[in-house]
Amino acid sequence: QKEVEQDPGPLSVPEGAIVSLNCTYSNSAFQYFMWYRQYSRKGPELLMYTYSSGNKEDGRFTAQVDKSSKYISLFIRDSQPSDSATYLCAPGAGSYQLTFGKGTKLSVIP
Amino acid sequence: SQTIHQWPATLVQPVGSPLSLECTVEGTSNPNLYWYRQAAGRGLQLLFYSVGIGQISSEVPQNLSASRPQDRQFILSSKKLLLSDSGFYLCAWSTTVEDQPQHFGDGTRLSIL
Repeated sequence: QKEVEQDPGPLSVPEGAIVSLNCTYSNSAFQYFMWYRQYSRKGPELLMYTYSSGNKEDGRFTAQVDKSSKYISLFIRDSQPSDSATYLCAPGAGSYQLTFGKGTKLSVIP
Repeated sequence: SQTIHQWPATLVQPVGSPLSLECTVEGTSNPNLYWYRQAAGRGLQLLFYSVGIGQISSEVPQNLSASRPQDRQFILSSKKLLLSDSGFYLCAWSTTVEDQPQHFGDGTRLSIL
C-alpha cells in the first residue's frame, strides 16, 4: 500500500460548484498535513496546512483531517476558473520530509 | 518576505553532458533546502535535502549530486546526464522547525536528447 493515495482525476466541475479533494494515508506517524496548488509549468504553492484533526478554514478553502481514518480532504466553495490546477496533499512526520500524493487535476468550467 | 529563485526555467541537454541547476533563497537565514524531481504521473520525489552549508543528505541513489556552498544557495549537478534524468526539478526551502511547510520555486524543466 502506498503511503499517500490521491485520486488523479481529472475532475471537471462547473463554476460555482463545491469541490471535494481527498487523500488517504497509511503512516500513523504523520502529524501535520499540507495542501499545495500547482498551476501548469509552475512550482507547488502552499494553500493550507494543519496539525490536528478537525477543520481549518481560509476563505473559500477548508482543510479537513481525520487522523482516526487516515483521511484528509480539501473543500473549495464557490469554485472559480482560476482554481483550475493540480492539488497535492502532503502529510509529514517529525523529520524534514513531506510525502506527496500524486495530485488531483481540477478544471473549473466557466 | 522570503523568495526563492531557480534557473534556468527550461533546459535541453544532450545525453552525456554535465548539468548545473542553481537555487537561491532570499529573506531568510539558515533555511533547510530541498531538491525534488517531479515526473509525469509519479508525484514529487525528494532527491536531496540540506540543513546547513556543506551538509547534504541523499534520498535516492542516482546520477545526480547536490552541493550547498553558501547558506542560501543550493546546486544540483551531474557529470554525465542520462535520458532518465529528464523531468521537472524543483527547489524548496523551509525553516529549521520540523513541522513547518516547504516553499517551492518555479522549477526547471529538463529535457535530455
